Amino acid sequence: AQSVTQLGSHVSVSEGALVLLRCNYSSSVPPYLFWYVQYPNQGLQLLLKYTTGATLVKGINGFEAEFKKSETSFHLTKPSAHMSDAAEYFCAVRGYNTDKLIFGTGTRLQVFP
Amino acid sequence: NAGVTQTPKFQVLKTGQSMTLQCAQDMNHEYMSWYRQDPGMGLRLIHYSVGAGITDQGEVPNGYNVSRSTTEDFPLRLLSAAPSQTSVYFCASSPGTANSNQPQHFGDGTRLSIL
Repeated sequence: AQSVTQLGSHVSVSEGALVLLRCNYSSSVPPYLFWYVQYPNQGLQLLLKYTTGATLVKGINGFEAEFKKSETSFHLTKPSAHMSDAAEYFCAVRGYNTDKLIFGTGTRLQVFP
Repeated sequence: NAGVTQTPKFQVLKTGQSMTLQCAQDMNHEYMSWYRQDPGMGLRLIHYSVGAGITDQGEVPNGYNVSRSTTEDFPLRLLSAAPSQTSVYFCASSPGTANSNQPQHFGDGTRLSIL
């Protein structure tokens, strides 16, 4: 069975600091991996996805994530946090030949001036 | 291009009442799904559909019904509302298994309170 673990339900950084949000997955087959962002009172918006090919994936708003099969990880990073990055971030996994998404419990990012 | 449209955006019900949350997509997507979002629990799958006439249960289906008579619409029915069903509900769609590297598109959610 597939599962996703997001370490840290809350992460706080200063504006301009590195953002690192952790995601580890469990999957018996090569997965598709996604990061979504949710701003207050809004739906989920796709940040980036890994399907096949290059393991370093670039997304919107300066975010990127690296698929590391040996570590079963897909951590999300951004070199310099902006106040507008404050939101909740969800990692999700989907197996091959299925549309069902399994979500992590989310990480709320706070950015302080 | 509207994407995934959910109605209503907010709803307050009394325990025991029934209601239907509407979801419509205009992208001709085969796969549609309903999630509920609760603090600290992420999104949990309630029901899903891989095409018109086909539905299946997700992780937390009890107390909810769905049907899929058309490709576009996937309503979620609460049969007899309970306070434990107070949550934010999201509908999502994606092209289908043949294109399963494609992401799901989400609606803006329905905030439901059961008193």
